[in-house]
Amino acid sequence: EVQLVQSGAEGKKSGESLKISCKASGYTFTTYWIAWVRQMPGKGLEWMGSIYPGDSDTRSSPSFQGQVTISADKSISTAYVQWTSLKGSDTAMYYCARSSDSSGHEVDQWGQGTLVTVSS
Amino acid sequence: QSALTQPASVSGSPGQSITISCTGTSSDVGIYNLVSWYQQHPGKAPKLLIYEVNKRPSGVSNRFSGSKSGNTASLTISGLQAEDEADYHCCSYATTNTLLFGGGTKLTVL
Repeated sequence: EVQLVQSGAEGKKSGESLKISCKASGYTFTTYWIAWVRQMPGKGLEWMGSIYPGDSDTRSSPSFQGQVTISADKSISTAYVQWTSLKGSDTAMYYCARSSDSSGHEVDQWGQGTLVTVSS
Repeated sequence: QSALTQPASVSGSPGQSITISCTGTSSDVGIYNLVSWYQQHPGKAPKLLIYEVNKRPSGVSNRFSGSKSGNTASLTISGLQAEDEADYHCCSYATTNTLLFGGGTKLTVL
């Protein structure tokens, strides 16, 4: 069974750094893209970017490029997204999702989400 | 790149059919048969309903169907049930090697 288990909720202050994780199991981690998706309170889904753990190739949304770093550690089947300086507008639920195949064109399995709350 | 356009809300009575539209451009929905739809209940993660415009994953009810015409994709739910009340999101692959989501549509079952 494919599972994506995300790290727990985080409460941070503006300017702090943060790295959240997504641990995969039940499939070959290196042969499917992992996407990160933001959902701000009461809003729709926004694709942030994706990583192919096999070679760490990444694709990024222009809206998030330079704002976050997406990475993966294939030795522990875990993907990450990190911020160096959080802002209040980063308050959101963040989901990781696995692509349906090696192309990365669609996602099928989702993690449970990580709630990030940033206060001033 | 702009998000795909979905109606903010739709509603229907039990047993009826409803359709949710998802409008993109010739750089995403119009050029690729890579549109997917997700159902999201409050406080839950999205769940895949439709992929590649009109294919259903194993376990998804055949009351859910997808289609596409030009730059607009559609999700139809037939035989509405109370449990269908949720948010629905469309997603398309785009020419810039990116994924685009719609703004989401809230379905109310009257």
